[in-house]
Amino acid sequence: DSGVTQTPKHLITATGQRVTLRCSPRSGDLSVYWYQQSLDQGLQFLIQYYNGEERAKGNILERFSAQQFPDLHSELNLSSLELGDSALYFCASSTSRTSYFAETQYFGPGTRLLVL
Amino acid sequence: DAKTTQPPSMDCAEGRAANLPCNHSTISGNEYVYWYRQIHSQGPQYIIHGLKNNETNEMASLIITEDRKSSTLILPHATLRDTAVYYCIVRAQTGANSKLTFGKGITLSVRP
Repeated sequence: DSGVTQTPKHLITATGQRVTLRCSPRSGDLSVYWYQQSLDQGLQFLIQYYNGEERAKGNILERFSAQQFPDLHSELNLSSLELGDSALYFCASSTSRTSYFAETQYFGPGTRLLVL
Repeated sequence: DAKTTQPPSMDCAEGRAANLPCNHSTISGNEYVYWYRQIHSQGPQYIIHGLKNNETNEMASLIITEDRKSSTLILPHATLRDTAVYYCIVRAQTGANSKLTFGKGITLSVRP
């Protein structure tokens, strides 16, 4: 158990809908990262937040957005869903003494999203 | 783009050591070698990391060559539960190269 929690574990929805995935980092971790893992693309970095502020962006679509709240939990919002958004979505957290120092990331169990 | 090269798969017998190779010939002086594994659709699990010295923890040992262009992850006594995809990742701890970039990894199959 990494200490990172994600809800829900599974999500089934229809094309065009919007969903929110939630992540609670390990106690004391200031950085939260989101990753997408699909069969054809592998594990891809989406976005990082550090202490409430966006810190780095990866291959995140404009239809996707994220935020980190004052209690440090994070939410990933996926809108106008398409079939191709079906994937595993992982959250990771790290201590990160500063926003520029990225320590070891610990991953949550993931949310499996299926878009029908 | 992943900065590492790993063979696609390997297997080993249960109870024997599993030696997983990784090439990272373009590694920079400030970049660490990290290993993660992913057991069938679970979240990636951190195993170990190192800069230039060999490292050991309760899960594995990491041997980095003197020129740092390659490394080997050693699972000393593989069990069936070690069957997973193992990712070797090169990353800095600050700046633009600090994000984790996962390649295809190596699929380790531990046979009874």
